[in-house]
Amino acid sequence: DAMVIQNPRYQVTQFGKPVTLSCSQTLNHNVMYWYQQKSSQAPKLLFHYYDKDFNNEADTPDNFQSRRPNTSFCFLDIRSPGLGDAAMYLCATSRDQTQETQYFGPGTRLLVL
Amino acid sequence: SQQGEEDPQALSIQEGENATMNCSYKTSINNLQWYRQNSGRGLVHLILIRSNEREKHSGRLRVTLDTSKKSSSLLITASRAADTASYFCATDTTFSGGYNKLIFGAGTRLAVHP
Repeated sequence: DAMVIQNPRYQVTQFGKPVTLSCSQTLNHNVMYWYQQKSSQAPKLLFHYYDKDFNNEADTPDNFQSRRPNTSFCFLDIRSPGLGDAAMYLCATSRDQTQETQYFGPGTRLLVL
Repeated sequence: SQQGEEDPQALSIQEGENATMNCSYKTSINNLQWYRQNSGRGLVHLILIRSNEREKHSGRLRVTLDTSKKSSSLLITASRAADTASYFCATDTTFSGGYNKLIFGAGTRLAVHP
């Protein structure tokens, strides 16, 4: 079935140790999004790619970066994770940038020790 | 803040009862969407209502939108234990630069007891 896949589902890293979360999609959607969701809070958009065009939210920390090597894959790199970066990271896609439903992956829960 | 606000924050009902969740927002919108999230999982899209629509149905779901009051409601009829989840409203808004993004509310945690 077409879907959004996130790996791994759970990631444990050490304080300050770089970590990469991955997302892939079989929907052939143009737009891919990364959200951060902390416990009992709303998902917060970090950035999105429209095709190869990268759009960073103004309040996304510099510690967070993203790569989209092709249509199907998108990566979230956290250069130096802090304890405050422990959260669920959600990847989503949409066919286009305007007024579209978003399709979410199952999320990666990041623990920082 | 442009984030939507939802109430109640938590709702506990018995199976078979109806559940109503409300969402208010602050900016003009293109559409409003409702998503469901089971504990520890990703979000699943439930329904999208466009700014020129007032009511929409999908199975046991009924969504209303009042753009003059900047509010929406989600009604789940004849609830089941499997409806236990968090429900988020999200407003689709166009920002300068011409791109759209979803702004999520804080969610309503629904518990349906057998």
